[in-house]
Amino acid sequence: KQEVTQIPAALSVPEGENLVLNCSFTDSAIYNLQWFRQDPGKGLTSLLLIQSSQREQTSGRLNASLDKSSGRSTLYIAASQPGDSATYLCAVRGLGQFYFGTGTSLTVIP
Amino acid sequence: NAGVMQNPRHLVRRRGQEARLRCSPMKGHSHVYWYRQLPEEGLKFMVYLQKENIIDESGMPKERFSAEFPKEGPSILRIQQVVRGDSAAYFCASLATGQGFLHGYTFGSGTRLTVV
Repeated sequence: KQEVTQIPAALSVPEGENLVLNCSFTDSAIYNLQWFRQDPGKGLTSLLLIQSSQREQTSGRLNASLDKSSGRSTLYIAASQPGDSATYLCAVRGLGQFYFGTGTSLTVIP
Repeated sequence: NAGVMQNPRHLVRRRGQEARLRCSPMKGHSHVYWYRQLPEEGLKFMVYLQKENIIDESGMPKERFSAEFPKEGPSILRIQQVVRGDSAAYFCASLATGQGFLHGYTFGSGTRLTVV
């Protein structure tokens, strides 16, 4: 059964810093990996989707990488802003469902 | 989250009552997934449905929980005789037929169930 782990569980950084969030998964037989953002009491907003054949995806200040063989993905956020404060979730997709990590709670201090 | 509509946004039920959660997928989407997010925990898969069919219900508790996705109308997640442990956020996600593994999920905003 797929297990998804996100480290760290919580992260606090001053505004303007670049930061990296980590996601690891135990079964490398995945079809794709998706990073989501969740604000308190809200739903999930998709940030980036990486297919298993891809190494990275970029959107604005966000860059996600995927190393399927080692079971790892990173989400890089450049020049962090207070508005980036949220919980970031990593989800990997196998044959059927997505498996989610428990998330990294990010606080960007003005 | 535009497009996948869940209602109600918040639902309060007393122990022993029934809870009915609705999910209308994005237009043209015929695959619906339900996930549950318990406080301080990650999202856990519950059930995957296509129109009129349950494809995978391996994450659904065997008792009190049921789900359907009729030919017409929204998908319904039904919880009978609710208990305090059912208090959670329930999220619905949809995919279009044929998108398969090329696309990610689109999630609704969730229904937050509180059992008192």
